[in-house]
Amino acid sequence: AQSVTQLGSHVSVSEGALVLLRCNYSSSVPPYLFWYVQYPNQGLQLLLKYTTGATLVKGINGFEAEFKKSETSFHLTKPSAHMSDAAEYFCAVSDGNAGNMLTFGGGTRLMVKP
Amino acid sequence: GAGVSQSPSNKVTEKGKDVELRCDPISGHTALYWYRQSLGQGLEFLIYFQGNSAPDKSGLPSDRFSAERTGGSVSTLTIQRTQQEDSAVYLCASSRVAGTDTQYFGPGTRLTVL
Repeated sequence: AQSVTQLGSHVSVSEGALVLLRCNYSSSVPPYLFWYVQYPNQGLQLLLKYTTGATLVKGINGFEAEFKKSETSFHLTKPSAHMSDAAEYFCAVSDGNAGNMLTFGGGTRLMVKP
Repeated sequence: GAGVSQSPSNKVTEKGKDVELRCDPISGHTALYWYRQSLGQGLEFLIYFQGNSAPDKSGLPSDRFSAERTGGSVSTLTIQRTQQEDSAVYLCASSRVAGTDTQYFGPGTRLTVL
């Protein structure tokens, strides 16, 4: 069984400050890891994903995440927050098998202060 | 091109009634997924289709829930004898094939059971 833990259901940063959203996972097989963003009343949009290869993954809107196997982590970062980054962020894991169904963390709501 | 669409966007029903939720995947996507997003349970996998078959129904919470997909395209999620705990946002996603391909999400159907 797989699971995802996102530390901090709410994170608040000032505009221009570093964004760090934490994600830890458990998986019995090499995981595939994802970050999705959800804006109010919208579906989920993929920010980035890790499947194989380079452990530092760059995504859209200036976000990146690093897969650290030894720490079972996949934290999401952005050097400088914008007001438009305010949204809910979900980390997810799959085992990449035939179905590839996603197991999600509880989500982190990011607030950006002017 | 068009994304994943879902209808209705909102559905209010009375306890005990049946409801049908519809998902139109991205054209050409063979894999289709249903997830549920609720306050108490977060984002949960319900079922996925590869073509018209559903290899994994393990996430369906009870036998009141069923889903079908016809013509390898549109899918319908049916909830019979709705209960208040069924109130949630039901999200549909599609991908080119099942596996590590990116899942693209629709805007969801918000179901409220009174």
